[in-house]
Amino acid sequence: GAGVSQSPSNKVTEKGKDVELRCDPISGHTALYWYRQSLGQGLEFLIYFQGNSAPDKSGLPSDRFSAERTGGSVSTLTIQRTQQEDSAVYLCASSSRRADTQYFGPGTRLTVL
Amino acid sequence: AQSVSQHNHHVILSEAASLELGCNYSYGGTVNLFWYVQYPGQHLQLLLKYFSGDPLVKGIKGFEAEFIKSKFSFNLRKPSVQWSDTAEYFCAVNAGDMRFGAGTRLTVKP
Repeated sequence: GAGVSQSPSNKVTEKGKDVELRCDPISGHTALYWYRQSLGQGLEFLIYFQGNSAPDKSGLPSDRFSAERTGGSVSTLTIQRTQQEDSAVYLCASSSRRADTQYFGPGTRLTVL
Repeated sequence: AQSVSQHNHHVILSEAASLELGCNYSYGGTVNLFWYVQYPGQHLQLLLKYFSGDPLVKGIKGFEAEFIKSKFSFNLRKPSVQWSDTAEYFCAVNAGDMRFGAGTRLTVKP
């Protein structure tokens, strides 16, 4: 079937505004991950969802960041009161189970002015 | 906490040169190991993976990697690179949580 999709592909916002980023995982994948990729940096883990279990939020950098996953499928990452340092590419990945291969979406490039 | 180190930040090679990108991790238990590639303007793709069995793993486009447990390493190799291999390469280790290295940017000169 289709791969992981993310929307929007690009988002430009003003400092202080809230943004929502969407991820649609591969159908049937129970595990979903959010990462942040900053220029010249590796992938920074943000949050992980597995089925109906409580998410692993250990990577969220501040309480301005939150995510939810509705119905075990689509996920939304919300960043409140955006700051310039939030500018990055936000990547979503899904896998059939936690230790298995992760398949990545194209990412959302967020620019905070 | 587990970590993944990629020692080379930027590698520049001429076409037909041999490639080896280093990857070391710090975790003593059972791990699954991955190399991902990100071509310019494209999203991350799996290059190869190791879960168990033969420690020499072959992936797409002529790449291979060798898992050396005693050295906690999973280096990526290709005997003869092409211009189209220009990309960023990420090593990743999963021991329950997936952790990525900082990436190595490979530039292949035609």
